[in-house]
Amino acid sequence: QVQLQESGPGLVKPSQTLSLTCTVSGGSISSGDYYWSWIRQPPGKGLEWIGNIYYFGNTYYNPSLKSRVSISVDSSKNQFSLKLTSVTAADTAVYFCARTLDGASDAFDIWGQGTMVTVSS
Amino acid sequence: DIQMTQSPSSLSASVGDRVTITCRASQRFSNYLSWYQQKPGKAPKLLIYAASSLQSGVPARFSGNGSGTDFTLTISSLQPEDFATYYCQQSYSTRWTFGQGTKVEIK
Repeated sequence: QVQLQESGPGLVKPSQTLSLTCTVSGGSISSGDYYWSWIRQPPGKGLEWIGNIYYFGNTYYNPSLKSRVSISVDSSKNQFSLKLTSVTAADTAVYFCARTLDGASDAFDIWGQGTMVTVSS
Repeated sequence: DIQMTQSPSSLSASVGDRVTITCRASQRFSNYLSWYQQKPGKAPKLLIYAASSLQSGVPARFSGNGSGTDFTLTISSLQPEDFATYYCQQSYSTRWTFGQGTKVEIK
């Protein structure tokens, strides 16, 4: 079965760049039936969609984050990655990667366990 | 942007109760609506997609309905493992958004 696992630093300094990687196992990231997403959740708060990427590289970003976000894919490693620049304390959150159904409703059907990222000096 | 407003924000219910959570959108759209369940410290779990389609492996006591601006998630007979926070999510607009969540607690 397909599993997703986030990895990356748990602590990032203000104004620096947050970088996370999601490794997909049990299936190919190049499957045309899905695309791949990042979602975050500040402590004690709700969920915020960050953006999506198709295996061939097309990306879609949350307009509120678009100027700071970049999502890329490495099919050879079965991974996709998130970069968020110029971070502040407001970017402190649990970051989830997820597989997204490409079809009737674009639902997030498989999630990683999440990784906590704290922005602090 | 499409704002998603869930009601209630929280509710207390007993095992065996029928529970309905509502999600209202700020503008009309088709069935690009999903429901998720999240337990503390865990990732959300997909329950319903395309407004009313039950995700594989999800118990049949969960059902989704609605169209336009009003969508509902119903749990026909609440079980102990159903106490959690539930989120709706739209993927119709260019900015996908979630509702603020509904916490279902034990009465």
